[in-house]
This record gives sequence, C-alpha cells and structure tokens, in this order.
Amino acid sequence: GESVGLHLPTLSVQEGDNSIINCAYSNSASDYFIWYKQESGKGPQFIIDIRSNMDKRQGQRVTVLLNKTVKHLSLQIAATQPGDSAVYFCAEAISGGYSTLTFGKGTMLLVSP
Amino acid sequence: DGGITQSPKYLFRKEGQNVTLSCEQNLNHDAMYWYRQDPGQGLRLIYYSQIVNDFQKGDIAEGYSVSREKKESFPLTVTSAQKNPTAFYLCASSTTGDGTDTQYFGPGTRLTVL
Repeated sequence: GESVGLHLPTLSVQEGDNSIINCAYSNSASDYFIWYKQESGKGPQFIIDIRSNMDKRQGQRVTVLLNKTVKHLSLQIAATQPGDSAVYFCAEAISGGYSTLTFGKGTMLLVSP
Repeated sequence: DGGITQSPKYLFRKEGQNVTLSCEQNLNHDAMYWYRQDPGQGLRLIYYSQIVNDFQKGDIAEGYSVSREKKESFPLTVTSAQKNPTAFYLCASSTTGDGTDTQYFGPGTRLTVL
C-alpha cells in the first residue's frame, strides 16, 4: 500500500536497540494521551495510553513517559525488532463530556536487521 | 483491526461522482468516527457520531456527508463538492463518545479520483 510516511521525521535504529519516539502536544488542558502504530496501508493500532495523573506507564516492551511541564510525551520501545517498523502517532484529548482526539503528524521508525 | 470492517479496500472514482465508503463494527460501540489521512500527515477528523441518529462535523467536513441509522454502521459519502478527495480514509469506533475512550480503527479505504 501507499506509504503514509512521506516527509515524516524518521528514526532509524538497529535491531535490538532501544528506541525513543518523541511527541510535543499542543493543549495544556489535555489529560489523556495515546500512542498508535500504523503499518503501511493499514489502520492505526492502539499501543498504550496514559492519563495526566501519571508520569509513566509500562506495557509489554513499551513505556510511555509524560512531562506535563513542557507538554512532552515519549514512547520507548525496548529491544526493537524489525516488526516494529511503522509510523507512530501520538494523540491527545480532554476527558469529561465529549472531546475528539487530536493527532500529531507521526514519526517513522525504521528497524534494520 | 478488531471488529471494524471497511469496504472496499481500494476505490476509484471519476471526477464529479459521489461515492460511499462503508464502515461496520460489531463491538457494540456507541461512537464512530471518520478520518482522512494524506501522505506525511496525521489523521484529520471528518465526522463523528456519539449515538445512533446523531452526528457532528469534524475539522474537515466540507464535501462529505454521513448517516447513522444503525449502531453498527456509519457510512461516509464523498460528494463531488470535495475538491481533493484522493486520500486514505479511516473509520474508528469507541465505547462512548468521551475523548478518553480508546478508539479502534478499521483497515482503511484508499480512494483515488481519476
């Protein structure tokens, strides 16, 4: 399928390295953050989320860090594998009532064997 | 892609024609969404629906229309008024319409205008 990664920031790593993907969010009122992984030609897949009452949350091989002071979010992937190659999006939202997710532009992760 | 299906996977349209993209979910989710994705871009919200028979415009609704007659279905029509419709269209759903409910995406439909 057509790549969704044209003109995106790209992070290139070797298999087995740890990867860190960064995201600056825009709204200081946002209190919910989510990371998605999108492989070429497919829909985004949920990876991990975090709410603003936490600074860190861990999943399987992934960790999300939230720094509300500087409005920064990061996704750490441990022991990166070729199957991790994809575009990674962060998104933010405000809880309570209804608000929509606002997506960042994405970062392409390329993992070399 | 969970329980969300989109059809067709690829769609070709001649200029001036309307075309309808299908989105179905069997997750019993109340809320459904349509996004557009262009190369090198994030997702932009076209329309969303919190509940059956109700929907709201997103950030780029011009040239698009939707309906939500059934909980499971949220079709998107790309009308001839949409000036640049070639894009990758993604449908999503969530348990409720709260922005903090995780949205699950379908596999997408790639629309090309000839």
